[in-house]
Amino acid sequence: DTAVSQTPKYLVTQMGNDKSIKCEQNLGHDTMYWYKQDSKKFLKIMFSYNNKELIINETVPNRFSPKSPDKAHLNLHINSLELGDSAVYFCASSPWDTMNTGELFFGEGSRLTVL
Amino acid sequence: GDSVTQMEGPVTLSEEAFLTINCTYTATGYPSLFWYVQYPGEGLQLLLKATKADDKGSNKGFEATYRKETTSFHLEKGSVQVSDSAVYFCALSGVASYDKVIFGPGTSLSVIP
Repeated sequence: DTAVSQTPKYLVTQMGNDKSIKCEQNLGHDTMYWYKQDSKKFLKIMFSYNNKELIINETVPNRFSPKSPDKAHLNLHINSLELGDSAVYFCASSPWDTMNTGELFFGEGSRLTVL
Repeated sequence: GDSVTQMEGPVTLSEEAFLTINCTYTATGYPSLFWYVQYPGEGLQLLLKATKADDKGSNKGFEATYRKETTSFHLEKGSVQVSDSAVYFCALSGVASYDKVIFGPGTSLSVIP
């Protein structure tokens, strides 16, 4: 069983379209994240949820909207896609306790290509 | 704000060579420090961590020591293998549960037979 799973793994779409990426974790963690990795491998946090509550919301265009229906799921919806949105989007989870702060478990990533 | 700096890659080594990837950080307080590894086509995995000064993290033959005086957390391995080819990320996190993890830019390592 995959601990953190994302779908789809690949997404190719036209500019202006709307798309969603889904993430699920079966580790029992309370906290989930979305990271964006650009073509130079640079990782930037976008959002973080703790038990369905938004706790980190970095400077991200409001075309990006996360949703957490429960603590095991975190989805990312992107409206009006732009060329610059092309990247690999990683979902991650972590336990909510100070002993394990910073220990993230990543999914395999969703590669988004906007044409 | 807090930040992490790593040596630029790509780094190319022959099998069994010694590896060092430098990492320095800027942070207020006393962060926890991490090395994550990303194999081709995969997500990141935690490789090792250290939570206080002079702690040494180790895993799979890799080591890194938390040096508060030089604000560094350099990654080392005595003898690399082809299977170590990956991108390595140094990272830091504050001690609070809600603190975000800040990653360095990553260093790509290629090990050739």
